[in-house]
Amino acid sequence: DAGVTQSPTHLIKTRGQQVTLRCSPKSGHDTVSWYQQALGQGPQFIFQYYEEEERQRGNFPDRFSGHQFPNYSSELNVNALLLGDSALYLCASRSVGGQVGYTFGSGTRLTVV
Amino acid sequence: AQSVAQPEDQVNVAEGNPLTVKCTYSVSGNPYLFWYVQYPNRGLQFLLKYITGDNLVKGSYGFEAEFNKSQTSFHLKKPSALVSDSALYFCAVRTLGGNTGFQKLVFGTGTRLLVSP
Repeated sequence: DAGVTQSPTHLIKTRGQQVTLRCSPKSGHDTVSWYQQALGQGPQFIFQYYEEEERQRGNFPDRFSGHQFPNYSSELNVNALLLGDSALYLCASRSVGGQVGYTFGSGTRLTVV
Repeated sequence: AQSVAQPEDQVNVAEGNPLTVKCTYSVSGNPYLFWYVQYPNRGLQFLLKYITGDNLVKGSYGFEAEFNKSQTSFHLKKPSALVSDSALYFCAVRTLGGNTGFQKLVFGTGTRLLVSP
């Protein structure tokens, strides 16, 4: 049973560029959340998708946007990259109505130079 | 707002000794609490959770956690530490978003556990 898969694993971008990160949820899961983990800090909630709609959003600017597809996979897009966007981006999935808690992927390490 | 605090940036313990990683919480209502572990350059791995019931929760890899309502704590414990337990540990609390009822996790700042041979 595949867990949460994220791609790419590592990425280097230049300030001002745009980036797209991808996530496939665990089989049977329909809700995807994205978290940003800066170096030395705990993960911070970005947003959550269910039924292809954003359901919750954390304290992140509009440069951060997302999408969920009919197969429940999700993308995180970040525009106009800043140096401070360098972080590990984690995708987590769960099933609405399922057990409490999330399954996390291994993350995408984004470095902005 | 729901939150958790991990008062120790780092915990050092010798292999074979018991370990404790501390977490305190601040929530309204009944807390749903979690422990995750993160190895270098990896995502978060679920260790255990407290929803309701017994105050002592058993999880993966021999870890357990004690829920204490009067002290608002949820400390992670293991009777005998292994060098391979060295990692970053995060405590988290589930919150429900506004009118949507959708869940998210709020994490502590993490505690680095170093187990020496």
